Amino acid sequence: EAGVAQSPRYKIIEKRQSVAFWCNPISGHATLYWYQQILGQGPKLLIQFQNNGVVDDSQLPKDRFSAERLKGVDSTLKIQPAKLEDSAVYLCASSTNQETQYFGPGTRLLVL
Amino acid sequence: EDQVTQSPEALRLQEGESSSLNCSYTVSGLRGLFWYRQDPGKGPEFLFTLYSAGEEKEKERLKATLTKKESFLHITAPKPEDSATYLCAVRGLGGTSYGKLTFGQGTILTVHP
Repeated sequence: EAGVAQSPRYKIIEKRQSVAFWCNPISGHATLYWYQQILGQGPKLLIQFQNNGVVDDSQLPKDRFSAERLKGVDSTLKIQPAKLEDSAVYLCASSTNQETQYFGPGTRLLVL
Repeated sequence: EDQVTQSPEALRLQEGESSSLNCSYTVSGLRGLFWYRQDPGKGPEFLFTLYSAGEEKEKERLKATLTKKESFLHITAPKPEDSATYLCAVRGLGGTSYGKLTFGQGTILTVHP
């Protein structure tokens, strides 16, 4: 069974630029999550989708972050404009019926 | 608000030297406590889920236990390949997110040969 796929794996941008990350969940997983992991910390949930609807985006900085999952399968997370403090690893995870979450390899973002 | 605290922050062991990692939590109705392993440059890898106090699960050299306030990850006779960051997370009954995990900061385990 293929795991969660994410791209790109690494991204370096300058502050105030925009960036987008892509995630393809495990086939058949209805729930998709985006987490932010700052160096030395545990992952923090940004947004959770159930199929193509948002279940929880309470910790998403909506003035600069946006996410979509149009067809209930893959998803994109966008940051516009980026700030220095957005430097982190962005992890995508998926699950069936909100049970065990399986994580992708992450996208490492460095904002200069 | 759910909270998770892991200790110690870092642990260095000699190969074969058994030890335990601690995860203390506060949650409004526990719907699951999760342990993950994270290798450098990779995403977290699922290890265990525990649902109720007294529950135990084992996998190779790892054994996870759960009480009403904390969980322990026991590592028996560790090997260098067990070196990783171990993350603990809880899922509670409260809030609007039915799947939301709250993670601790992790324990960095290093096993020397």
